[in-house]
Amino acid sequence: DTAVSQTPKYLVTQMGNDKSIKCEQNLGHDTMYWYKQDSKKFLKIMFSYNNKELIINETVPNRFSPKSPDKAHLNLHINSLELGDSAVYFCASSFGHLPNYGYTFGSGTRLTVV
Amino acid sequence: DQQVKQNSPSLSVQEGRISILNCDYTNSMFDYFLWYKKYPAEGPTFLISISSIKDKNEDGRFTVFLNKSAKHLSLHIVPSQPGDSAVYFCAASAYPYSGGGADGLTFGKGTHLIIQP
Repeated sequence: DTAVSQTPKYLVTQMGNDKSIKCEQNLGHDTMYWYKQDSKKFLKIMFSYNNKELIINETVPNRFSPKSPDKAHLNLHINSLELGDSAVYFCASSFGHLPNYGYTFGSGTRLTVV
Repeated sequence: DQQVKQNSPSLSVQEGRISILNCDYTNSMFDYFLWYKKYPAEGPTFLISISSIKDKNEDGRFTVFLNKSAKHLSLHIVPSQPGDSAVYFCAASAYPYSGGGADGLTFGKGTHLIIQP
């Protein structure tokens, strides 16, 4: 019974395409996040959503757009994919903004742009 | 600009001995610290945390120590077991007690711990 699930697990696509990665959590958390693990292995936050409201947006290209139909879902849509977008993307969720109980992460989506 | 640094990419420890993973930070606003463990092809899982009002937090075989003046924390695992072989990420947060904002967590690059039989 997966707490935070991401689909697909692997995604290979051509430059210029538009793709989406889905994320769902069944923990009743009210905040969800997208993190990108780059080639240097850093995990960097991209977005977070709390009560269906975007509350942070780091320096991410506007080709990336998070979409949250409800507080259990936060999908990541990417337009006009570029080679540099190749990375592993992790979805996570938590109660509110506080990390006291840790974030729960999904298993990741490995995106490869060719 | 690495605000959270894990300077050892890998660490090899014999089974049964103590594993010590280190983490340094530069942002003095960080006041909550977490350790995550990650197996290949899985997402990071929360392991243990510590707030800046403490200098030690213990949970079973895992203990985290915080030295605020040195901006340094460490994770001790004793005794080390084969299942502890994983990548360990140190993460820090600046807002738990600031009453607002959501900057997410700032992660280090991780340390690959290898437990040898």
